[in-house]
Amino acid sequence: GDSVTQMEGPVTLSEEACLTINCTYTATGYPSLFWYVQYPGEGLQLLLKATKADDKGSNKGFEATYRKETTSFHLEKGSVQVSDSAVYFCALRGDDKIIFGKGTRLHILP
Amino acid sequence: DTAVSQTPKYLVTQMGNDKSIKCEQNLGHDTMYWYKQDSKKFLKIMFSYNNKELIINETVPNRFSPKSPDKAHLNLHINSLELGDSAVYFCASSQLLGGGTNEKLFFGSGTQLSVL
Repeated sequence: GDSVTQMEGPVTLSEEACLTINCTYTATGYPSLFWYVQYPGEGLQLLLKATKADDKGSNKGFEATYRKETTSFHLEKGSVQVSDSAVYFCALRGDDKIIFGKGTRLHILP
Repeated sequence: DTAVSQTPKYLVTQMGNDKSIKCEQNLGHDTMYWYKQDSKKFLKIMFSYNNKELIINETVPNRFSPKSPDKAHLNLHINSLELGDSAVYFCASSQLLGGGTNEKLFFGSGTQLSVL
């Protein structure tokens, strides 16, 4: 069945460091891909998405490119801030449901 | 106005009790979901309701029963609570289930259930 695998956390970085959170997927067909973010004490919210190969989703300085050849959708940011500390979920939309990865906790130190 | 609201935010109860969590969305969406998030932040879908019909049940114990009185509400009833049921439960909604590849989920803020 469809699945999403993302790197284990927690990831701890200093402010202004470069971030990459890896995400790969397994799916039949061509699913839409998403990154959701969960700030402390809150529900998940959509961060960015891409619906077809080579699409790049971007929001709040974060980017991810839909790579069909490597079945990946890695999340990147050039310079992280303390306010980026959260749990990040990679997800895909299959035929009838959205499947989430296990989440990666990100800590940004001032 | 909150798009997806769930109550209560915190729920502490004894093993063996029966409890309910309520969820309402004011977005006019057709599909609602319940997700369970364990202590390691792993998020797993439990149920999905589309126009008041259950369309996914991810091998959840039958002690858990979703009830949807109308398409704006999806409540979660849990009977005979067990220690392992302790988790954060998230309600979510989306416009379409099978048709829209661009659609996204809107989440409630979660209900933290602690079973003692």
